[in-house]
Amino acid sequence: SQKIEQNSEALNIQEGKTATLTCNYTNYSPAYLQWYRQDPGRGPVFLLLIRENEKEKRKERLKVTFDTTLKQSLFHITASQPADSATYLCALGSGGSNYKLTFGKGTLLTVNP
Amino acid sequence: DSGVTQTPKHLITATGQRVTLRCSPRSGDLSVYWYQQSLDQGLQFLIQYYNGEERAKGNILERFSAQQFPDLHSELNLSSLELGDSALYFCASSFMGGGLGTDTQYFGPGTRLTVL
Repeated sequence: SQKIEQNSEALNIQEGKTATLTCNYTNYSPAYLQWYRQDPGRGPVFLLLIRENEKEKRKERLKVTFDTTLKQSLFHITASQPADSATYLCALGSGGSNYKLTFGKGTLLTVNP
Repeated sequence: DSGVTQTPKHLITATGQRVTLRCSPRSGDLSVYWYQQSLDQGLQFLIQYYNGEERAKGNILERFSAQQFPDLHSELNLSSLELGDSALYFCASSFMGGGLGTDTQYFGPGTRLTVL
């Protein structure tokens, strides 16, 4: 069955460092992958989308890579700030006429001042 | 603020009861998605509607049903509630959901359901 794993349930880093979150998947051939941020008690907020034919996408301090051979996506936050503390979810989409997203369980990132 | 509204914010009910959760999508969005989020299961896709018609189904129980009305708002009906149905229920909307293969979903603030 399809499986999505995000590297760890929790990640603690120091302010100013780069946070790297991992999303691995098995038994899946996604057409695209999305990353969302979720704060406690709130709905997920879309951050970035990367397609299967793209290797890397950037948006301000965020960078996403997508390796379909390794079946892995890496999500980087550079120059991290305490305000970046949240749960980050990766979501895989099949594309075509199927818009269903399959979410990982998320990684709780804490950036310490 | 995503532009997606959900009511009510909180709902406390008893086992065996039936509840209705309501969602209004962002202005202009045609697709509505329902998700269930619990601590152990993460965010689980339940069902998608596009312009009034069911488009995709996920792990939705037979006790649950949904519909999308002509004004594009959607309702999720949960019946014969069990303790395990306690969770956060999110609605999301997107513009397309039926064409380009990718679509950004905008999530509402959620409804927290507690079944006692």
